[in-house]
Amino acid sequence: QQQVKQSPQSLIVQKGGIPIINCAYENTAFDYFPWYQQFPGKGPALLIAIRPDVSEKKEGRFTISFNKSAKQFSLHIMDSQPGDSATYFCAASMKDYGQNFVFGPGTRLSVLP
Amino acid sequence: DAGITQSPRHKVTETGTPVTLRCHQTENHRYMYWYRQDPGHGLRLIHYSYGVKDTDKGEVSDGYSVSRSKTEDFLLTLESATSSQTSVYFCAIRGQGAVGELFFGEGSRLTVL
Repeated sequence: QQQVKQSPQSLIVQKGGIPIINCAYENTAFDYFPWYQQFPGKGPALLIAIRPDVSEKKEGRFTISFNKSAKQFSLHIMDSQPGDSATYFCAASMKDYGQNFVFGPGTRLSVLP
Repeated sequence: DAGITQSPRHKVTETGTPVTLRCHQTENHRYMYWYRQDPGHGLRLIHYSYGVKDTDKGEVSDGYSVSRSKTEDFLLTLESATSSQTSVYFCAIRGQGAVGELFFGEGSRLTVL
Protein backbone atom coordinates (compact mmCIF):
# COMPACT_ATOMS: atom_id res chain seq x y z
CA GLN A 1 0.00 0.00 0.00
CA GLN A 2 1.61 3.24 -1.19
CA GLN A 3 -0.83 5.66 0.45
CA VAL A 4 0.12 8.27 3.04
CA LYS A 5 -2.70 9.59 5.23
CA GLN A 6 -2.56 13.09 6.70
CA SER A 7 -4.65 14.97 9.26
CA PRO A 8 -6.11 17.41 9.95
CA GLN A 9 -7.21 18.82 6.62
CA SER A 10 -7.04 22.36 8.02
CA LEU A 11 -5.79 23.94 11.21
CA ILE A 12 -6.13 27.37 12.78
CA VAL A 13 -3.93 28.46 15.68
CA GLN A 14 -3.05 31.69 17.42
CA LYS A 15 0.41 33.18 17.10
CA GLY A 16 2.74 31.38 19.49
CA GLY A 17 0.70 28.17 19.44
CA ILE A 18 2.09 24.75 18.52
CA PRO A 19 0.24 23.26 15.56
CA ILE A 20 0.70 19.53 15.09
CA ILE A 21 0.12 17.73 11.79
CA ASN A 22 -0.03 13.95 11.71
CA CYS A 23 0.73 11.43 9.00
CA ALA A 24 0.47 7.65 8.78
CA TYR A 25 1.71 5.11 6.30
CA GLU A 26 1.30 1.37 5.68
CA ASN A 27 4.31 0.29 3.69
CA THR A 28 7.20 -0.48 6.02
CA ALA A 29 9.61 -0.28 3.08
CA PHE A 30 9.38 3.52 3.09
CA ASP A 31 12.73 4.85 4.30
CA TYR A 32 12.59 8.61 3.91
CA PHE A 33 9.90 10.98 5.22
CA PRO A 34 10.04 14.64 4.16
CA TRP A 35 7.70 17.51 4.90
CA TYR A 36 7.04 20.14 2.25
CA GLN A 37 5.72 23.66 2.77
CA GLN A 38 3.74 25.44 0.08
CA PHE A 39 2.73 29.10 -0.05
CA PRO A 40 -0.13 30.23 -2.32
CA GLY A 41 0.90 30.46 -5.96
CA LYS A 42 4.22 28.72 -5.33
CA GLY A 43 5.57 25.22 -5.67
CA PRO A 44 6.17 23.10 -2.56
CA ALA A 45 9.58 23.39 -0.92
CA LEU A 46 11.34 20.95 1.39
CA LEU A 47 10.99 21.98 5.03
CA ILE A 48 12.50 19.11 7.01
CA ALA A 49 12.95 15.35 6.58
CA ILE A 50 13.64 12.28 8.68
CA ARG A 51 14.75 8.68 8.25
CA PRO A 52 13.23 5.85 10.34
CA ASP A 53 16.42 5.20 12.31
CA VAL A 54 15.77 8.26 14.50
CA SER A 55 12.70 9.19 16.55
CA GLU A 56 12.97 12.95 16.35
CA LYS A 57 14.59 15.65 14.24
CA LYS A 58 14.58 19.34 14.97
CA GLU A 59 15.43 22.24 12.67
CA GLY A 60 14.77 25.65 14.14
CA ARG A 61 11.12 25.84 15.17
CA PHE A 62 10.17 22.72 13.19
CA THR A 63 10.31 19.22 14.70
CA ILE A 64 9.45 15.84 13.22
CA SER A 65 8.49 13.07 15.62
CA PHE A 66 8.67 9.56 14.20
CA ASN A 67 7.07 6.42 15.63
CA LYS A 68 8.28 3.46 13.60
CA SER A 69 6.20 0.81 15.39
CA ALA A 70 2.99 2.81 14.88
CA LYS A 71 4.00 3.82 11.34
CA GLN A 72 3.23 7.43 12.12
CA PHE A 73 5.11 10.70 11.99
CA SER A 74 4.16 14.23 12.84
CA LEU A 75 5.27 17.82 12.33
CA HIS A 76 5.31 20.25 15.25
CA ILE A 77 5.80 23.98 14.74
CA MET A 78 7.00 25.73 17.88
CA ASP A 79 6.12 29.38 18.54
CA SER A 80 4.12 29.54 15.31
CA GLN A 81 4.07 32.82 13.39
CA PRO A 82 1.65 34.27 10.82
CA GLY A 83 4.39 33.73 8.22
CA ASP A 84 4.04 29.97 8.81
CA SER A 85 0.56 30.09 7.28
CA ALA A 86 0.83 27.70 4.36
CA THR A 87 -0.14 24.24 3.20
CA TYR A 88 2.01 21.42 4.56
CA PHE A 89 2.46 18.06 2.87
CA CYS A 90 4.01 14.97 4.37
CA ALA A 91 5.53 12.45 1.99
CA ALA A 92 7.26 9.10 1.91
CA SER A 93 9.77 7.54 -0.39
CA MET A 94 11.75 4.35 -0.80
CA LYS A 95 14.48 3.24 -3.13
CA ASP A 96 12.50 0.33 -4.54
CA TYR A 97 9.73 2.69 -5.65
CA GLY A 98 11.83 4.17 -8.39
CA GLN A 99 12.92 6.74 -5.86
CA ASN A 100 9.50 8.32 -6.23
CA PHE A 101 7.54 10.12 -3.55
CA VAL A 102 4.02 9.53 -2.24
CA PHE A 103 2.39 12.65 -0.81
CA GLY A 104 -0.30 13.10 1.80
CA PRO A 105 -3.35 15.23 0.87
CA GLY A 106 -2.05 18.31 2.68
CA THR A 107 -2.94 20.45 5.71
CA ARG A 108 -3.81 24.10 5.36
CA LEU A 109 -2.43 25.97 8.37
CA SER A 110 -3.53 29.46 9.35
CA VAL A 111 -1.68 31.25 12.15
CA LEU A 112 -3.66 34.21 13.44
CA PRO A 113 -1.81 37.35 14.61
CA ASP B 1 16.60 28.31 -6.88
CA ALA B 2 16.80 24.96 -8.69
CA GLY B 3 16.53 26.54 -12.13
CA ILE B 4 13.13 25.13 -13.08
CA THR B 5 10.86 27.00 -15.46
CA GLN B 6 7.36 25.92 -16.35
CA SER B 7 5.38 27.25 -19.30
CA PRO B 8 2.74 28.34 -19.75
CA ARG B 9 1.95 29.40 -16.19
CA HIS B 10 -1.74 29.76 -16.97
CA LYS B 11 -3.84 28.28 -19.75
CA VAL B 12 -7.54 28.06 -20.50
CA THR B 13 -8.59 25.64 -23.18
CA GLU B 14 -11.63 23.79 -24.41
CA THR B 15 -12.52 20.13 -24.06
CA GLY B 16 -11.00 18.01 -26.80
CA THR B 17 -8.09 20.28 -27.64
CA PRO B 18 -4.46 19.17 -27.25
CA VAL B 19 -2.33 20.87 -24.61
CA THR B 20 1.41 20.71 -23.99
CA LEU B 21 3.09 21.92 -20.82
CA ARG B 22 6.82 22.45 -20.78
CA CYS B 23 9.31 22.05 -17.97
CA HIS B 24 12.81 23.38 -18.46
CA GLN B 25 15.72 22.90 -16.06
CA THR B 26 19.16 24.44 -16.17
CA GLU B 27 21.12 22.15 -13.85
CA ASN B 28 21.36 18.86 -15.75
CA HIS B 29 19.38 16.76 -13.26
CA ARG B 30 18.64 13.21 -14.33
CA TYR B 31 15.22 12.74 -12.70
CA MET B 32 12.25 14.93 -13.68
CA TYR B 33 8.63 14.56 -12.62
CA TRP B 34 5.17 15.82 -13.47
CA TYR B 35 2.63 16.05 -10.64
CA ARG B 36 -0.90 17.35 -10.54
CA GLN B 37 -2.31 19.04 -7.45
CA ASP B 38 -5.99 18.93 -6.62
CA PRO B 39 -7.79 19.84 -3.38
CA GLY B 40 -8.01 16.86 -1.06
CA HIS B 41 -5.57 14.79 -3.12
CA GLY B 42 -2.26 16.46 -2.51
CA LEU B 43 0.33 15.89 -5.19
CA ARG B 44 -0.14 12.91 -7.47
CA LEU B 45 2.53 11.65 -9.83
CA ILE B 46 1.58 11.61 -13.50
CA HIS B 47 4.81 10.58 -15.22
CA TYR B 48 8.48 10.75 -14.49
CA SER B 49 11.73 10.53 -16.41
CA TYR B 50 15.07 9.06 -15.38
CA GLY B 51 16.99 10.16 -18.46
CA VAL B 52 16.68 11.24 -22.08
CA LYS B 53 13.96 9.15 -23.72
CA ASP B 54 13.52 7.17 -20.47
CA THR B 55 10.10 7.73 -18.96
CA ASP B 56 7.62 5.80 -16.85
CA LYS B 57 4.06 6.12 -15.63
CA GLY B 58 2.92 7.37 -12.26
CA GLU B 59 -0.32 6.73 -10.43
CA VAL B 60 -2.53 9.02 -12.58
CA SER B 61 -1.05 8.66 -16.07
CA ASP B 62 -4.25 7.97 -18.05
CA GLY B 63 -4.88 10.73 -20.61
CA TYR B 64 -1.31 12.05 -20.40
CA SER B 65 1.86 11.43 -22.35
CA VAL B 66 5.37 12.77 -21.87
CA SER B 67 8.54 13.19 -23.84
CA ARG B 68 12.12 13.98 -22.97
CA SER B 69 14.33 14.46 -26.00
CA LYS B 70 16.85 16.63 -24.16
CA THR B 71 18.08 16.51 -20.57
CA GLU B 72 16.78 19.98 -19.86
CA ASP B 73 13.22 19.64 -21.21
CA PHE B 74 10.36 17.44 -20.04
CA LEU B 75 7.06 17.88 -21.87
CA LEU B 76 3.62 16.85 -20.63
CA THR B 77 0.92 16.45 -23.29
CA LEU B 78 -2.80 16.10 -22.93
CA GLU B 79 -3.81 14.69 -26.32
CA SER B 80 -7.48 15.59 -25.87
CA ALA B 81 -8.11 17.66 -22.76
CA THR B 82 -11.08 16.87 -20.52
CA SER B 83 -12.63 18.87 -17.68
CA SER B 84 -11.25 16.34 -15.18
CA GLN B 85 -7.78 17.47 -16.17
CA THR B 86 -8.40 20.97 -14.85
CA SER B 87 -5.69 21.21 -12.23
CA VAL B 88 -2.42 22.80 -11.21
CA TYR B 89 0.51 20.95 -12.71
CA PHE B 90 3.93 20.96 -11.09
CA CYS B 91 7.19 19.88 -12.57
CA ALA B 92 9.90 18.73 -10.19
CA ILE B 93 13.50 17.65 -10.39
CA ARG B 94 15.34 15.41 -7.98
CA GLY B 95 18.50 16.78 -6.43
CA GLN B 96 21.83 15.04 -6.79
CA GLY B 97 22.47 14.32 -3.12
CA ALA B 98 22.13 10.94 -1.45
CA VAL B 99 18.67 11.81 -0.20
CA GLY B 100 17.48 13.32 -3.46
CA GLU B 101 15.36 16.27 -2.41
CA LEU B 102 12.59 17.26 -4.82
CA PHE B 103 12.66 20.82 -6.17
CA PHE B 104 9.41 22.07 -7.66
CA GLY B 105 8.62 24.62 -10.32
CA GLU B 106 6.08 27.40 -9.82
CA GLY B 107 3.23 25.41 -11.36
CA SER B 108 1.03 25.66 -14.44
CA ARG B 109 -2.67 26.27 -13.84
CA LEU B 110 -4.76 24.60 -16.54
CA THR B 111 -8.49 25.14 -16.93
CA VAL B 112 -10.42 22.94 -19.36
CA LEU B 113 -13.86 24.32 -20.20
